[in-house]
Order: sequence, then structure tokens, then C-alpha cells
Amino acid sequence: SQTIHQWPATLVQPVGSPLSLECTVEGTSNPNLYWYRQAAGRGLQLLFYSVGIGQISSEVPQNLSASRPQDRQFILSSKKLLLSDSGFYLCAWSPSAYEQYFGPGTRLTVT
Amino acid sequence: AQSVTQLDSQVPVFEEAPVELRCNYSSSVSVYLFWYVQYPNQGLQLLLKYLSGSTLVESINGFEAEFNKSQTSFHLRKPSVHISDTAEYFCAAMIYNQGGKLIFGQGTELSVKP
Repeated sequence: SQTIHQWPATLVQPVGSPLSLECTVEGTSNPNLYWYRQAAGRGLQLLFYSVGIGQISSEVPQNLSASRPQDRQFILSSKKLLLSDSGFYLCAWSPSAYEQYFGPGTRLTVT
Repeated sequence: AQSVTQLDSQVPVFEEAPVELRCNYSSSVSVYLFWYVQYPNQGLQLLLKYLSGSTLVESINGFEAEFNKSQTSFHLRKPSVHISDTAEYFCAAMIYNQGGKLIFGQGTELSVKP
């Protein structure tokens, strides 16, 4: 069966520091991969999605970037964090163009 | 632009009472529709989905949703809720042939009280 992992589970970082969040999927190949951010009391905002290695589409102009160095690995990065980057970051994968399955999430607090 | 609207941000209900969480989408093209549930500090779990066929879809834990194209709605219902159903529920739409991107509603917090 397929599983999706995210780490770290929680992270506290000062403003201006770099960020790297990792997402990996097991048990499937060539999945579509997605990064979402969920701010407190709000819905989910799609940040990036990828249909293959090295193929990244950005949905929202922001302080973040994404990379897909391997088929089942998706990384969210920032060179300098802002306070507004705080939130709950969710990675998701999809076997096709239909339903998405979410990871456990990373709680990021920027201080 | 396409959007998904969940009409209630919070729904308090007593245990064993029925509940309906409302969801409307705005799209003039074909969509797939989903309900996800999120328990505190966890990721989202797919509850049920409508892709095609029967407009009434059911989950394994007693929830059901009905796709109504004329009213562009996909309301979630359960005839009798349990304490364990307390969670946040998200309605989402996926526009056909647009790379699998999900558009989420703002979420409805269901609070089941004893």
C-alpha cells in the first residue's frame, strides 16, 4: 500500500532563517505531488504541484520554492523565512488526475 | 474563477442528531467533488468522492453526499452523529482536465456534544 511521509512534524524557526521541508511517498511511482499551506482558521491554499521529476508549477507568488529531485520526493524550501510563512504545511500525492491523499503535515512557527 | 463555498464555518450538534454540512461550487465545466475530514493537528483524510455515475455517494462511517448539478451543491449528511465525528470538514472541487488541482472551501468545524 502507499504511504506518504512528511518531516519534520513541527518546526520553530526565526525570521530570516532558511527552510527545508521534505515529503516522500512510498509504494507508487510517478505520482503527482502537491504542497499546500493551511493558515490558522483558514482553508488550504495550493502552493506548488509537480507531475514529474524537475517539473514544478507555482500557484502563488511567494517567499517559497519547491523541488522534486527524485520521483517520490518533494521538497519545500525558503531562503529567508517571514512571519507570514507560519502555518501547517501539507504534502499530498495523487495516483492520477483524481483524488489526492495527504501526509500528516508539518507545523511551522516563525518567530 | 472557480470557487468552493462552505456555507457554515461552525456547526454544533448533539450526539445522535442528524447533521448537514453545506457546500456549493461555482463552475461552468465538469468537476469532481470531494469531502475531506481533518482531526486536530493531522493531515486530511478523504471521506468520499464524486467522479461520475450515481449522484449519491457514501463513506464507510455513515456519511453521504449528494451531487446536485442544477444547484451546484455537494452537501454532506449523516443521520446520526457520534462524538468521534468532531473534526473539521473540507469540501473540494477538481476541475476536469486541469492537472488535478483541488480547490478547497474554507472548512466547517463540526462539534458534536454529548
